[in-house]
Amino acid sequence: AQSVTQLDSQVPVFEEAPVELRCNYSSSVSVYLFWYVQYPNQGLQLLLKYLSGSTLVKGINGFEAEFNKSQTSFHLRKPSVHISDTAEYFCAVIRTDSWGKLQFGAGTQVVVTP
Amino acid sequence: DAGVTQSPTHLIKTRGQQVTLRCSPISGHKSVSWYQQVLGQGPQFIFQYYEKEERGRGNFPDRFSARQFPNYSSELNVNALLLGDSALYLCASSLELRVTTDTQYFGPGTRLTVL
Repeated sequence: AQSVTQLDSQVPVFEEAPVELRCNYSSSVSVYLFWYVQYPNQGLQLLLKYLSGSTLVKGINGFEAEFNKSQTSFHLRKPSVHISDTAEYFCAVIRTDSWGKLQFGAGTQVVVTP
Repeated sequence: DAGVTQSPTHLIKTRGQQVTLRCSPISGHKSVSWYQQVLGQGPQFIFQYYEKEERGRGNFPDRFSARQFPNYSSELNVNALLLGDSALYLCASSLELRVTTDTQYFGPGTRLTVL
């Protein structure tokens, strides 16, 4: 079985400051990792994913994430946030032998203030 | 191009009733997945359909069922509604079966309230 833990339920951050959202996972089998963003009253949008190769993954809107196998982490970062980055962010995993069963964390609400 | 569309956007039901939620995938997408997102939690996988066949099922009771039509649209049915079924129901579509090699696109969801 897999589990995904997002360590912060809410992260307040000032505009143009950096932000890091933490995600840890546990799994008895190999997994792939994802970050999604959910803007108010919208569905989820894929930010980035790690399948293999370089452990530093770059995504859309200036986000990047680093896969750390030894620490079973997949933290999301952005060096300078905008007001428009206010949203809920979800970390998710999927077994490498699965087709479409994504397992999500509980989410981290990012609130960007001027 | 139109994205994933879901209907209705909101609905209110009472305990014991039955509900049908609808999803239209992006044109050409053959895979549809359903997720339940309870307030304050992450989405939970319910079903995946590909080419009209069920390809995955989450840990939900038999009160939950779904189907996919020849045009790849999908319906999610929930019988004997419970208060705990109140949630945002998300539909996602993709071209192929594997979400790892293909991007899933999510719809805006249907907000179900059970009184």
